Amino acid sequence: SQQGEEDPQALSIQEGENATMNCSYKTSINNLQWYRQNSGRGLVHLILIRSNEREKHSGRLRVTLDTSKKSSSLLITASRAADTASYFCAGPNAGGTSYGKLTFGQGTILTVHP
Amino acid sequence: DAGITQSPRHKVTETGTPVTLRCHQTENHRYMYWYRQDPGHGLRLIHYSYGVKDTDKGEVSDGYSVSRSKTEDFLLTLESATSSQTSVYFCAISGRLTGSSYNEQFFGPGTRLTVL
Repeated sequence: SQQGEEDPQALSIQEGENATMNCSYKTSINNLQWYRQNSGRGLVHLILIRSNEREKHSGRLRVTLDTSKKSSSLLITASRAADTASYFCAGPNAGGTSYGKLTFGQGTILTVHP
Repeated sequence: DAGITQSPRHKVTETGTPVTLRCHQTENHRYMYWYRQDPGHGLRLIHYSYGVKDTDKGEVSDGYSVSRSKTEDFLLTLESATSSQTSVYFCAISGRLTGSSYNEQFFGPGTRLTVL
């Protein structure tokens, strides 16, 4: 089951601009996570936001969660060329015992031009 | 990368041959996962393990088997490789055995498998 759907699929911006990526999900969750994947590498965990949190910050990252709309957004402020990567949201698998299983969206490809 | 390695990193094989991919962790994490990543499909869970000798299927398990005989190693086997199994395979780990939250996953560098 697709727990996360990212929007847009691709985003191209200039260095210094802000980048916003959105994620919608289908079932109730107790947390939602965002990951980054640089080309040819494994995913790296960025931030986890719990269902009782509305906003969370980590450095230049800001994540919001709206459980009523089943949506989350990831904002990267003052983007840098090194932020060029794919970004994925992930939520716990729906139904059954979780065992930490996640369902990932298809990702947003962010390109930051110097 | 949180003490997680995958081997081999690249492999080219022929249809019908068996292939085993290895995931090794030094983090003492309880949970281990195998994913495949394909264009247009994102990451899909193949199998996972919630302890030594405890494994279960994910959403795309057909044609794959796994084994976990010790905490550190999680093996993914393609019994008879097919061209549709050409993909990039990622192992991930989560949750230390000493009991912290198992929510975040840590990924290995991936194995690029080509089945001709």
